[in-house]
Amino acid sequence: QVQLQQSGPGLVKSSQTLSLTCAISGDSVSSNSAAWNWIRQSPSRGLEWLGRTYYRSDRSDWYKNYAESVEGRATISADTPRNHFSLQMNSLSPDDTAIYYCARDPFSGQFDNWGQGSLVTVSS
Amino acid sequence: EIVMTQSPATLSVSPGDTATLSCRASQSVNRNLAWYQQIPGQAPRLLIYGASTRATGIPARFSGSGSGTEFTLTISSLQSEDFSIYYCQQYNYWWTFGQGTKVDIK
Repeated sequence: QVQLQQSGPGLVKSSQTLSLTCAISGDSVSSNSAAWNWIRQSPSRGLEWLGRTYYRSDRSDWYKNYAESVEGRATISADTPRNHFSLQMNSLSPDDTAIYYCARDPFSGQFDNWGQGSLVTVSS
Repeated sequence: EIVMTQSPATLSVSPGDTATLSCRASQSVNRNLAWYQQIPGQAPRLLIYGASTRATGIPARFSGSGSGTEFTLTISSLQSEDFSIYYCQQYNYWWTFGQGTKVDIK
C-alpha cells in the first residue's frame, strides 16, 4: 500500500525558509494517476491546502498549483530518482506555525493517503 | 473560495447511539465532498468521498449523504474508536475544509 514519510526541521526562525520532504513508497511521484499535495493544520487556519505537483507523461511535463495564501512564497518540487516531493516556503512568520502534511490525491479530489505530519514552529 | 461550515462544533453521544454531523457549502459543490476522521496526534483518514462512497476499509456504520450545499455524515452504533474529530472537504473548486466537529462521549 502507499505510504508517505515526511522529514524536515521542526523549528525555523522568522523570515527564513521551511523545507520539508515527503518520501513515497508503494507509488511513484511521476505516476500519471496521482497528484502530490501539501496541506497544513493550525488552530487559527484549520486544515488548509497549500499546493500540489503532478506529472503528465503525455506532455512530459510537471504541473504545479498553489493556494493564493502561499502563492509566491511556496515551491513544490519532485525528485523522480529518489521518489519524493518537497515543499519549500520562504519569508516565514509565526503565523506559518502549523502541522504540515503531505498527501496523495489519485486525481479524484480526495486525499486518500497522508504523511504522518510535521510540526513546524516558526520562532520570532 | 468555497467556505465549508460544519455543525455542531461538538456533539456528545453515548456509545451505541447514532451521531449525525452536518456540513454546509457556501455554494454548490455538487457531490464533490469528502469526510475525514482525525484522531488527535494523527493525520486525517479518508472516510467518505463522492458524498456517499465509503473509502477502502471503512465500516458500514459510516454513511454519507447530500448534494449541492448540504451534506450529512451519519455514524451509527458508535464505537469507542469513533470518538474523534470529523472534517468535511470540498473538491469541486480547488480544496477547502470545514472547521471540524468533535464527537465526544456523553
